[in-house]
Amino acid sequence: AQTVTQSQPEMSVQEAETVTLSCTYDTSESDYYLFWYKQPPSRQMILVIRQEAYKQQNATENRFSVNFQKAAKSFSLKISDSQLGDAAMYFCAYRGGNQFYFGTGTSLTVIP
Amino acid sequence: DAGVIQSPRHEVTEMGQEVTLRCKPISGHNSLFWYRQTMMRGLELLIYFNNNVPIDDSGMPEDRFSAKMPNASFSTLKIQPSEPRDSAVYFCASSLRTGFGKLFFGSGTQLSVL
Repeated sequence: AQTVTQSQPEMSVQEAETVTLSCTYDTSESDYYLFWYKQPPSRQMILVIRQEAYKQQNATENRFSVNFQKAAKSFSLKISDSQLGDAAMYFCAYRGGNQFYFGTGTSLTVIP
Repeated sequence: DAGVIQSPRHEVTEMGQEVTLRCKPISGHNSLFWYRQTMMRGLELLIYFNNNVPIDDSGMPEDRFSAKMPNASFSTLKIQPSEPRDSAVYFCASSLRTGFGKLFFGSGTQLSVL
């Protein structure tokens, strides 16, 4: 079965600095998709960024970018110029076929 | 598009009572998922449907939990009888079955069983 591991339960970053959240996954499939979701205190799950496994180029969305290492099965999220509004729980997710698997989340604190 | 709509947003009930959570997926989406979120266990997939048919209910904790999807625009998750350990946030999410479809989440139902 596919598993998604987020080894950092909590992270903190100074405002305007850069932080990287780690995610690894286990799969035997070659075709899949990876996502990072953000869950602020409002509890709404918001898609931050997504990556297709067959694409070697790392996805970017404004201040958010990923480092996708397919051979290592690693999918980290980099947040640049951190803002107070980035404070949230971040979930890494894997989609294979029609199944979605989520990591346990990383709680990000942004320090003013 | 109104997004995935869940109701109620909050539910407080007493142990032993029946609880029904409701979900309206995004129009055109053919996959629907029910998740439960707790501090201890994170996001757990309870069940998912493709084209209104339950595909995998292995995450349903026990027989007290049941889910239905009578049509493409409505699903329910029922707990009968409810227990305090069922207290959690329950999310409904929908997506397109094929392609690069991301998962769209509803705003969740915060369930408290006293």
